[in-house]
Amino acid sequence: AQSVTQLGSHVSVSEGALVLLRCNYSSSVPPYLFWYVQYPNQGLQLLLKYTTGATLVKGINGFEAEFKKSETSFHLTKPSAHMSDAAEYFCAVSQIQGAQKLVFGQGTRLTINP
Amino acid sequence: DAGVIQSPRHEVTEMGQEVTLRCKPISGHDYLFWYRQTMMRGLELLIYFNNNVPIDDSGMPEDRFSAKMPNASFSTLKIQPSEPRDSAVYFCASSVTGGSNQPQHFGDGTRLSIL
Repeated sequence: AQSVTQLGSHVSVSEGALVLLRCNYSSSVPPYLFWYVQYPNQGLQLLLKYTTGATLVKGINGFEAEFKKSETSFHLTKPSAHMSDAAEYFCAVSQIQGAQKLVFGQGTRLTINP
Repeated sequence: DAGVIQSPRHEVTEMGQEVTLRCKPISGHDYLFWYRQTMMRGLELLIYFNNNVPIDDSGMPEDRFSAKMPNASFSTLKIQPSEPRDSAVYFCASSVTGGSNQPQHFGDGTRLSIL
């Protein structure tokens, strides 16, 4: 069975600092990987996804993530945090061949300090 | 483009009452998903449909919960009778067929409070 682990339920960084949100997955076959962002009182929005090809994926709002098969990781980064990045971030995985459904991590709440 | 539309946005009702949550997926999307989000359990998939047919309802917590999709543009999630532990935010999401690399598009959710 697939599972997703997000290390750190809360991450706090200063404005302008590097953002690093960690995601590790467990899957018997190579998966597709997603990062979603959830702002207060809203649904989840897709930030970026990895399917095939280049392992470094760029998304919206300056975020990017790198798929590392050997480490079963898909960490999310942003070089310089902005106050508007404060939100909850979810990593998710789906199998390449299988049901069209996602398994989500528990989420990481990102706080930006001025 | 209109996104996934959920109604109501907020619902407060007393224990034992029937609750009906509604969802309109994005036009042309043939997958529809219902999720529940709580602090304790995070985001849980309750049930999903493909072409209006329920495919996997293994996440539905108990018989008090039921979901229907009478047509491609409408789905309901019903709780009868409701209990305080059902209080949560319920999300609907939709996606297109094309493989499991297709992202899901979420509505803004229904915040349900059972007193």
